[in-house]
Amino acid sequence: AIRMTQSPSSLSASTGDRVTITCRASQGISSYLAWYQQKPGKAPKLLIYAASTLQSGVPSRFSGSGSGTDFTLTISCLQSEDFATYYCQQYYSYPQTFGQGTKVEIK
Amino acid sequence: EVQLLESGGGLVQPGGSLRLSCAASGFTFSSYAMSWVRQAPGKGLEWVSAISGSGGSTYYADSVKGRFTISRDNSKNTLYLQMNSLRAEDTAVYYCAKDYSSSWPAEYFQHWGQGTLVTVSS
Repeated sequence: AIRMTQSPSSLSASTGDRVTITCRASQGISSYLAWYQQKPGKAPKLLIYAASTLQSGVPSRFSGSGSGTDFTLTISCLQSEDFATYYCQQYYSYPQTFGQGTKVEIK
Repeated sequence: EVQLLESGGGLVQPGGSLRLSCAASGFTFSSYAMSWVRQAPGKGLEWVSAISGSGGSTYYADSVKGRFTISRDNSKNTLYLQMNSLRAEDTAVYYCAKDYSSSWPAEYFQHWGQGTLVTVSS
């Protein structure tokens, strides 16, 4: 199975900060990568797919980049509603796998 | 509006069985692959299983292979997950999720259910 490793596992940031989360695949996955946001007690929400395509309705402060094994999710100007846990997911091959998550907390 | 509503969760003893259901509406159910994703308490997301729109193709995570069976009834717009030989480590919220596009293999998930909690404990 392809292992997805996110870093950091958690971070503290302030409203207005630029935040970057990285996701590394244990083998090349082309651009078959999605990012999700999850808030406590809620189902995940799709933010980005195909590594860099913004899902409709998702604010433009979210962006994704990368291909192959290294990917990033960037939040350009953190808003209060962005404090949540973020997951990457590879869908290059089965079994699909998720990263362990990155919790973005208020500083 | 796409809606996915899971049911069937609850408390079960180790070694027991449970069947989860996911009732779908708001889209042409038979055209889309469906998946189950679980989340243990306080932990991350784990993909469990996927099934093609026709039901003819399935995939499983190694952790559940041979114990869980995914199926669907397209006449009832319902997805199932039969879970046998349950273990404590299967304790989790189980989400059903709809594939983004009508492709196979399934890719990523725009629509998720609200989840149903399965607790395996004596």
